[in-house]
Amino acid sequence: DIQMTQSPSTLSASVGDRVTITCRASQSFSSWLAWYQQKPGKAPKLLIYKASSLESGVPSRFSGSGSGTEFTLTISSLQPDDFATYYCQQYNRLWTFGQGTKVEIK
Amino acid sequence: EVHLLESGGGLVQPGGSLRLSCAASGFTFSTYAMSWVRQVPGKGLEWVSAISGSGDTTYYADSVKARFTISRDNSNNTLYVQMNSLRADDTAVYYCSRHPPRLPFDYWGQGILVTVSS
Repeated sequence: DIQMTQSPSTLSASVGDRVTITCRASQSFSSWLAWYQQKPGKAPKLLIYKASSLESGVPSRFSGSGSGTEFTLTISSLQPDDFATYYCQQYNRLWTFGQGTKVEIK
Repeated sequence: EVHLLESGGGLVQPGGSLRLSCAASGFTFSTYAMSWVRQVPGKGLEWVSAISGSGDTTYYADSVKARFTISRDNSNNTLYVQMNSLRADDTAVYYCSRHPPRLPFDYWGQGILVTVSS
């Protein structure tokens, strides 16, 4: 099984900050990596697929990069609506989520 | 518009059974693989099970293998999961989601709570 480890678990930031979340895989794979945003009481929302492709309707301040075992999600300028929990997911072999990164207000 | 609606959740005793349903609309159901994902309140996401569009291939997480059975009725656009031998650690919100070929989960239901407790 492919294990996914996110860091940090919690991130405190201010509006306008550049934020980076990292996801590391226990084994290397190509670009079958997605990022989701989840707010309390809501279902996850797909942001990024294939490591760097932006889902339709997602603001361009969100971007993804990486391959192999290390992937990143970057929010270029944090907005009030972005305070949420973010999950990476590999879909190279079955499906595995990272443990999540909570982005909270500093 | 794509819509997924789970039903069938509730309180069940340890060792009991429950069947969740997910009614799909707004897309050609039979052409999409579907999954169940669960989330213990306040915790992270865990993929549980998946089924191909035709229903002839299924996948399970080790944590539910031999206890849960995923199925689908393409004539009624409905996804199911039969959950047997339920344990306290199966308590979670269960989401259904769809995933296009070689793409991740692009649409999700609103989730349904399953509580396993005596």
